Amino acid sequence: GIQVEQSPPDLILQEGANSTLRCNFSDSVNNLQWFHQNPWGQLINLFYIPSGTKQNGRLSATTVATERYSLLYISSSQTTDSGVYFCAVVPRGSNYKLTFGKGTLLTVNP
Amino acid sequence: DTGVSQNPRHKITKRGQNVTFRCDPISEHNRLYWYRQTLGQGPEFLTYFQNEAQLEKSRLLSDRFSAERPKGSFSTLEIQRTEQGDSAMYLCASSLTGKGDGYTFGSGTRLTVV
Repeated sequence: GIQVEQSPPDLILQEGANSTLRCNFSDSVNNLQWFHQNPWGQLINLFYIPSGTKQNGRLSATTVATERYSLLYISSSQTTDSGVYFCAVVPRGSNYKLTFGKGTLLTVNP
Repeated sequence: DTGVSQNPRHKITKRGQNVTFRCDPISEHNRLYWYRQTLGQGPEFLTYFQNEAQLEKSRLLSDRFSAERPKGSFSTLEIQRTEQGDSAMYLCASSLTGKGDGYTFGSGTRLTVV
């Protein structure tokens, strides 16, 4: 099956710093989503981005489908950004099954 | 649209007991999924419904697990004769075929088997 690798596995920032999280995937995809899992376990959908670039406030994401990677940018980080960030993909040929990476644990210190 | 709702939020049960979780998807979504997440891992696919039809079950879903989606609305996931290894977060998600905004997840049910 498709492999999804996220880096770095852990990241510690001071409030106000910027960061880039990376997601590499091993095959073509129909769907790619970035999620933020808060301390209570809720998975919040940040971006649906199988290709191209999107921005939402301090967050933006870029997926380069031909090179099989996606990047999530967090600018001016806040303590509330802490949590685990997951990249998940639906491989081409499957139109529904999301496969998740292991996530990046982000800690933003005040 | 109130999002995907899951109940209960937490469940503690003794080994050997049966448990049932409920998921109410976004009302217009025809697809419903169950995932399981253990500590330090990403969620793993368990099963998928399109309307009321269960179209795929992962090999992670042993015979002790059963899921239903009567009338294509809410879904239930039952675990019979629970084992300590069943302790995990059980996540439900829904989506609408052809609408390009992906999955929406519920808050999950955290199961602890003691």
